[in-house]
Amino acid sequence: GIQVEQSPPDLILQEGANSTLRCNFSDSVNNLQWFHQNPWGQLINLFYIPSGTKQNGRLSATTVATERYSLLYISSSQTTDSGVYFCAVERDGGFKTIFGAGTRLFVKA
Amino acid sequence: DAGITQSPRHKVTETGTPVTLRCHQTENHRYMYWYRQDPGHGLRLIHYSYGVKDTDKGEVSDGYSVSRSKTEDFLLTLESATSSQTSVYFCAITWTENTEAFFGQGTRLTVV
Repeated sequence: GIQVEQSPPDLILQEGANSTLRCNFSDSVNNLQWFHQNPWGQLINLFYIPSGTKQNGRLSATTVATERYSLLYISSSQTTDSGVYFCAVERDGGFKTIFGAGTRLFVKA
Repeated sequence: DAGITQSPRHKVTETGTPVTLRCHQTENHRYMYWYRQDPGHGLRLIHYSYGVKDTDKGEVSDGYSVSRSKTEDFLLTLESATSSQTSVYFCAITWTENTEAFFGQGTRLTVV
């Protein structure tokens, strides 16, 4: 099946710093989503981005489907950005997605 | 917040007992999903539903069954709980195929 790899696995930032998270996938996909899991365990949808670039405030994402990767940019990080960021891809319709193992982010005040 | 409610939020049960987790949505979304989250594995799909009485297996369906008798409710049943089913279970919904997903708050299940 399709493989999803996220990097880095762990990341520690000083508040205000910028960062880039990467998601590589091994086959073509129909859709790709980025999620943030906060320290309380809640999963929040950040971007639905099968291709192209989207921005939402300090966050932006780019997916290059032909090269099988997606990037999540976090600018001017805040302590509330801490948590785990998951990339999830799907190729067969519906939300029968494959999740990456996640990037655990800690932002220090 | 998407109207997704999981119940119970926490449960401790004994090995061999049946357990049912409930996912209730008020969004009238067609698709509903059950995932489990374990350290080192991320989230893995257990079962999903694409309509009332229409369900299918995900990648880790062994030991689980589901039912969907109404659009708003998707039930996950562990017929005979085992310690390997100790996990955090998440329900998700999507409006159609290839649209963004929304998650419930999760149910932490411990099988002792």
